[in-house]
Amino acid sequence: GDSVTQMEGPVTLSEEAFLTINCTYTATGYPSLFWYVQYPGEGLQLLLKATKADDKGSNKGFEATYRKETTSFHLEKGSVQVSDSAVYFCALSDQAPGKLIFGQGTTLQVKP
Amino acid sequence: EAGVVQSPRYKIIEKKQPVAFWCNPISGHNTLYWYLQNLGQGPELLIRYENEEAVDDSQLPKDRFSAERLKGVDSTLKIQPAELGDSAVYLCASSFEGNEQFFGPGTRLTVL
Repeated sequence: GDSVTQMEGPVTLSEEAFLTINCTYTATGYPSLFWYVQYPGEGLQLLLKATKADDKGSNKGFEATYRKETTSFHLEKGSVQVSDSAVYFCALSDQAPGKLIFGQGTTLQVKP
Repeated sequence: EAGVVQSPRYKIIEKKQPVAFWCNPISGHNTLYWYLQNLGQGPELLIRYENEEAVDDSQLPKDRFSAERLKGVDSTLKIQPAELGDSAVYLCASSFEGNEQFFGPGTRLTVL
């Protein structure tokens, strides 16, 4: 079945460092891909998405490119801030409309 | 605009006791989802409603879990009886016509 694999955390960075969180997926069709963020004590929020190959999703300085050839959707940010500390989830939506399949999440800690 | 509301935020019960969670989706959202999130894992879909109809309940353990959305608005998820392994966060999300899902803050259940 469909699945999503993320790099293990926690990821600890200093402020202004470059961030990459790896995400790869397995799907039978042509899924839409998402990154969600979960701040402490809050619900998941959609960060960005891409619906077809080579699309780039971007928001709040984060971006990710849908790579069909490598089945990847890596999250990047050029300069992280302390306020970016959260758990990040990669997800896909494939066969059933609206049905999301999530990765296990990656915790990001940014130190001043 | 109010987001997805869930209550209670935290619940502690002893095993074999019943428990219920309530969710009020964003006004106008016809699709409602219940997810289970175990510690250190991504959310997993339990059940999806379109209006009053449960259109995907394949992952709901029907021997002890039940859900309802009688008027197509708010929803209740019940566990009876609870087991130790049910300790987790129960997330509710809603969307309009299966588009972007908006998540509530979740209910953290601890079964002793």
